[in-house]
Amino acid sequence: DAKTTQPPSMDCAEGRAANLPCNHSTISGNEYVYWYRQIHSQGPQYIIHGLKNNETNEMASLIITEDRKSSTLILPHATLRDTAVYYCIVRPYGSSNTGKLIFGQGTTLQVKP
Amino acid sequence: DAGVTQSPTHLIKTRGQQVTLRCSPKSGHDTVSWYQQALGQGPQFIFQYYEEEERQRGNFPDRFSGHQFPNYSSELNVNALLLGDSALYLCASSLGDSFVFYGYTFGSGTRLTVV
Repeated sequence: DAKTTQPPSMDCAEGRAANLPCNHSTISGNEYVYWYRQIHSQGPQYIIHGLKNNETNEMASLIITEDRKSSTLILPHATLRDTAVYYCIVRPYGSSNTGKLIFGQGTTLQVKP
Repeated sequence: DAGVTQSPTHLIKTRGQQVTLRCSPKSGHDTVSWYQQALGQGPQFIFQYYEEEERQRGNFPDRFSGHQFPNYSSELNVNALLLGDSALYLCASSLGDSFVFYGYTFGSGTRLTVV
């Protein structure tokens, strides 16, 4: 069962920042927050992950609240190509934990011209 | 650098038949996972292979089986197909546990339709 809650859909104007929220109130201390997205007719694509600090890469920024119960994925300048389903996933760190990802329903982000 | 390659891209089978789906991982990757994605749903984990052995399995019946070859490529076999097996089957690869830091690389999937 997914341990995250996301809004089913969001709209964003092209060129504006897209802020996608995720609730993970039962997250454990050894669990990372991962974000993937899935563009129509493609497989999921890894975006970013974090533990407790804010993270940024060439694709996006990840803001994790101090209590780690929620996070926000930020696409700073959304383009039409960012239209996709975005999945927020929590999973434990450690070599004894294999790589099973538990996907929820995700948030469908529609970027509009 | 080729990513994850899956074949075939589309497949139509009849109930009761058997099907084999194939996956070539990204160059340099040695771990392969399989996911099933029903229409409108998120992907569901089937199993993961590492060093030619099944390392973890999701909540799928024994009709779903797999194999990993010495060159790290993998097959997913489904026996006695049901209408409910119609889905997009995704393959994901990584180098060992590097997915922790770099995520998985997914293929575009095989669309299986059971009629």
